[in-house]
Amino acid sequence: TVLTQSPATVSLSPGERATLSCRASQSVGIYLAWYQQRPGQAPRLLIYDASNRATGIPARFSGGGSETDFTLTISSLEPEDSAVYYCQHRSNWQLSFGGGTKVEIK
Amino acid sequence: QVQLMESGGGMVQPGESLRLSCAASGFTFTSYDMHWLRQAPGKGLERVASVRYDGGNKWYADSVKGRFTISRDNSKSTVELQMNSLGVDDTAVYYCAKDLGLARTIWYFDYWGQGTLVTVSS
Repeated sequence: TVLTQSPATVSLSPGERATLSCRASQSVGIYLAWYQQRPGQAPRLLIYDASNRATGIPARFSGGGSETDFTLTISSLEPEDSAVYYCQHRSNWQLSFGGGTKVEIK
Repeated sequence: QVQLMESGGGMVQPGESLRLSCAASGFTFTSYDMHWLRQAPGKGLERVASVRYDGGNKWYADSVKGRFTISRDNSKSTVELQMNSLGVDDTAVYYCAKDLGLARTIWYFDYWGQGTLVTVSS
């Protein structure tokens, strides 16, 4: 299963809403996660099973979707949200990541 | 708190071997699958290998199958990655990661180490 993320880069101001997309080449049900990777750091799990926030993740991060179309929404951007965001599926004993969306804060 | 500390990275020549180790603490190691993932410079993420919490099942990316071996020592809370026949395409930061699922295979990664750099170059 190929995951395609869009846009490749988004540039927004603090307080604005960011909507990131992840499209799967075939249905993955709800088995999709989102990770944040800040520069020079390891990835951090944000969302799993499409819409469940991981432990300690702020409420401004939310996930939605199912089957082939998923979104990660950051409701009100903070400066520390500047990062690359990856989606990842796990289904049918396979696993893969999308290519990432870079979020820039103006 | 959960801590994962990788070691063993470095620079090697094509065709050589390297062994990575990950020391885990802060959780019940014997109850979680463990994983190795990698990230080539400026590129995305790739799962390299996984081992079930009891060491019973192992999974490998097609790109490393037959060359890499994952193992775990539940008595020492460590997971290792033996990498043989390394090629330039194996150059990456290698991360050790803990599975989200308690005593079941979930394949979401809720804690990551800081990574260790492996450089394969002649």
